[in-house]
Amino acid sequence: EADIYQTPRYLVIGTGKKITLECSQTMGHDKMYWYQQDPGMELHLIHYSYGVNSTEKGDLSSESTVSRIRTEHFPLTLESARPSHTSQYLCASSDIGRHAGYTFGSGTRLTVV
Amino acid sequence: AQSVAQPEDQVNVAEGNPLTVKCTYSVSGNPYLFWYVQYPNRGLQFLLKYITGDNLVKGSYGFEAEFNKSQTSFHLKKPSALVSDSALYFCAVRDSNYQLIWGAGTKLIIKP
Repeated sequence: EADIYQTPRYLVIGTGKKITLECSQTMGHDKMYWYQQDPGMELHLIHYSYGVNSTEKGDLSSESTVSRIRTEHFPLTLESARPSHTSQYLCASSDIGRHAGYTFGSGTRLTVV
Repeated sequence: AQSVAQPEDQVNVAEGNPLTVKCTYSVSGNPYLFWYVQYPNRGLQFLLKYITGDNLVKGSYGFEAEFNKSQTSFHLKKPSALVSDSALYFCAVRDSNYQLIWGAGTKLIIKP
C-alpha cells in the first residue's frame, strides 16, 4: 500500500545529542516537505525538496539539515538538539501535478530535555 | 502574495447541529483550494479540494466545502456534526510554485 512513514513516532533525547528523523514514501513522489508544528498550532515549513539532490530551506529558520539521496527517503538531522527543538515534525510528499495535494506521515513528537 | 486566513481559532458546535469552518484566500489566478483534518498526535489527512467546476465540493466523512469566488472564501461545512469530528482543520491554497500555503488552523469542538 502506498504511504509515507515517519520514525520514530516519539523521541525523548538529551540536550546536545545528534538525531535523525526518518521519512520514507512509497508513492514515487518527487516533492517532499518537512514541517514543524507545536501542538494544536500552525504548520511551519522548514525544508523541502523537488527531487533527488534538491533541498531548499523553508519559511521558518531551522538549525536542522536534510538530504535527498533517494527519491523515497528524506531524513532530517539535528546536529545538536536543544530544548527549543521540542516540537512535532511532520513529513509530507506530493506529486508534481498542480492539482496534487499533500500526503502526510503520522509525525515525530520530539522532546529535548 | 498568496495567503490563507482562518479567522476563527476555535469553533464550538453541539452534536447534531450544522457546522461551518471559515476560510478566505488571496491568490493571483485560479485558486486551487484544499481542506485537511488533523486528529491529536497524527499527521494531516486530506478532506477535499476545489480545482474547478461545481462550487460545492463533497469530501470525506460527510464534509463539503463551498467555493465563493466573489467573497474569496472556501468554507468547510457539515450538515450534522459528530463528536468524532472534533479535530484541528486546516485550509490551504496552492501557490504559483505548486506549494501549499496553509492557514493557521481552526480547532473544532463538538459537544455531546
